[in-house]
Amino acid sequence: DIQMTQSPSSLSASIGDRVTITCRASQSITNNLNWYQQKPGKAPNLLIYSASTLLSGVPSRFSGSGSGTDFTLTISSLQPEDFATYYCQRSSLVPYTFGQGTKVEIK
Amino acid sequence: EVQLLESGGGLVQPGGSLRLSCAASGLMFSNYPMNWVRQAPGKGLEWVSVISDSGRNTYYADSVKGRFTISRDNSKNTLYLQMNSLRAEDTAVYYCVKGGRSNWAECDFWGQGTLVSVSS
Repeated sequence: DIQMTQSPSSLSASIGDRVTITCRASQSITNNLNWYQQKPGKAPNLLIYSASTLLSGVPSRFSGSGSGTDFTLTISSLQPEDFATYYCQRSSLVPYTFGQGTKVEIK
Repeated sequence: EVQLLESGGGLVQPGGSLRLSCAASGLMFSNYPMNWVRQAPGKGLEWVSVISDSGRNTYYADSVKGRFTISRDNSKNTLYLQMNSLRAEDTAVYYCVKGGRSNWAECDFWGQGTLVSVSS
């Protein structure tokens, strides 16, 4: 099975910072990648699908890029409501494997 | 408004069985594939299973294959997960998740989750 590896596992950042999270697939998944945000005690929310398409209603400070094996989620200017855990997910063939998550904390 | 309401979680002994249900509303349920995703306490997300819109096609994570069965009743707008031979490592919050029509893994609506605890 294809493995999904996120880095870093956690990071500390300040309001207004630019934040980048990476996700690497063990084999090419072309652009079949989703990004989710999860806040404590809540279900995840889909942010981005097909590697770079923002779901309707998601703020434009979020962006996704990449294809093949290397992907990036960028938050251009971190806001208080963005402190959460972010997961990538392979969305091509089953199993729809998730990355292990990246926790974004307040510095 | 799409709503997914899971039920059926609880405490069960190792080796026991449990059936989860997910009642869907606010969408044409029969048009969409549905997933189960779980999250062990303090851990990350794990995809468990998916079922096609018609129910004819089902797929499972290796960790649950042969023990769990996903099914749906489109006449009742309800998704199910039958869990047998439960193990301690199955302890998790189980989420019912709507997939996309063209990409089954585009999980754009999630239920609130139901907790399954496997312990003696």
